[in-house]
Amino acid sequence: AAGVIQSPRHLIKEKRETATLKCYPIPRHDTVYWYQQGPGQDPQFLISFYEKMQSDKGSIPDRFSAQQFSDYHSELNMSSLELGDSALYFCASSRNPGGGSSYEQYFGPGTRLTVT
Amino acid sequence: AQKVTQAQTEISVVEKEDVTLDCVYETRDTTYYLFWYKQPPSGELVFLIRRNSFDEQNEISGRYSWNFQKSTSSFNFTITASQVVDSAVYFCALSEGAAGANSKLTFGKGITLSVRP
Repeated sequence: AAGVIQSPRHLIKEKRETATLKCYPIPRHDTVYWYQQGPGQDPQFLISFYEKMQSDKGSIPDRFSAQQFSDYHSELNMSSLELGDSALYFCASSRNPGGGSSYEQYFGPGTRLTVT
Repeated sequence: AQKVTQAQTEISVVEKEDVTLDCVYETRDTTYYLFWYKQPPSGELVFLIRRNSFDEQNEISGRYSWNFQKSTSSFNFTITASQVVDSAVYFCALSEGAAGANSKLTFGKGITLSVRP
């Protein structure tokens, strides 16, 4: 079965540089989520999109932005990178069954970002 | 605000022992969803189970079983006859259905399970 695809898997950047992470959801999944997991931490919700519209926002720094495109893939753009941005960034996707229900979120393998 | 507490941080057992991972949650919503995810050393997050607030029936899947008790706001996970491959970090997570479909997940801090041969 197809899974969530994330690219790149590893990324090394220097402070103050920019980075773009990409996420390709499972086919027919209409919702994409981004999470950040620092070393030894639990995943923290950043932002989500449903049908290409932002649906929820968490503790995402103003230096970060994201969008979902017409083919449902999503990109997380990170600017003015700081050492503290070093983390594992997960994308997850789910299918909206409607009616206030909540389908499980399937996670991609993550992008490990290292800022030096 | 929603909150998930996994009081156990690290558990170490010998292979074939049974082990229970505890999860306590807080939410003001009457509609919510509980999840368990496994994160092996390779780093990916693997979905294990979803349970909605209206279904307190316990579930068994092979060596895994889950006990959901609304009275104590707990959603505990038991691995029977543990194996070395069960070694991983296990996260309990909560989403609130009243906030809309496909709400964000709030994770607990995770429990590191080590199964020794």
